[in-house]
Amino acid sequence: AQTVTQSQPEMSVQEAETVTLSCTYDTSESNYYLFWYKQPPSRQMILVIRQEAYKQQNATENRFSVNFQKAAKSFSLKISDSQLGDTAMYFCGRTGTYKYIFGTGTRLKVLA
Amino acid sequence: NAGVTQTPKFQVLKTGQSMTLQCAQDMNHEYMSWYRQDPGMGLRLIHYSVGAGITDQGEVPNGYNVSRSTTEDFPLRLLSAAPSQTSVYFCASRKAGGRADTQYFGPGTRLTVL
Repeated sequence: AQTVTQSQPEMSVQEAETVTLSCTYDTSESNYYLFWYKQPPSRQMILVIRQEAYKQQNATENRFSVNFQKAAKSFSLKISDSQLGDTAMYFCGRTGTYKYIFGTGTRLKVLA
Repeated sequence: NAGVTQTPKFQVLKTGQSMTLQCAQDMNHEYMSWYRQDPGMGLRLIHYSVGAGITDQGEVPNGYNVSRSTTEDFPLRLLSAAPSQTSVYFCASRKAGGRADTQYFGPGTRLTVL
């Protein structure tokens, strides 16, 4: 099975600090997209950042950036200057044929 | 645009009851999907559709039926609810034609089966 693995079920970080969430994946496809979604306590799924696999440059969105290592099939999310509003469940995933494939999630708590 | 809407937001069923979770999108998206979210399991794909009249099974389809008679609507039917179907259900949609397109999610339905 082609999977997405998030090895950190829970993490915490102090406000204003930096935290990195890990994600690895498996695929036999040559062209695909990777993404991180955030799910705050409201339960709404919000796209945080997206990376095209054929682009070597790491994607960034304000305080969020990724470290994409294609050969290692690794796609970690770095959150800089963490804010209380970043407290949420974070899901890593990749696109498949017609589908999105998600990891099991990392619950992040930002501490005041 | 309302985006992706789901009804109801909460539902409690007794074992053996049937019900339909409604999902609608107003973005003219071809692809629609149903996921269930369980603690420690992430989001698992139940069924998906690539257009009106076309559906296919995902990772965990047993106990669920879907149909897609229009582009806008993609209801999920539980024919005989079981406690194992207690979960949060998400509907999602996106445009066809490229994997770059963002998938949009509905607000979810929390279902409890007693």
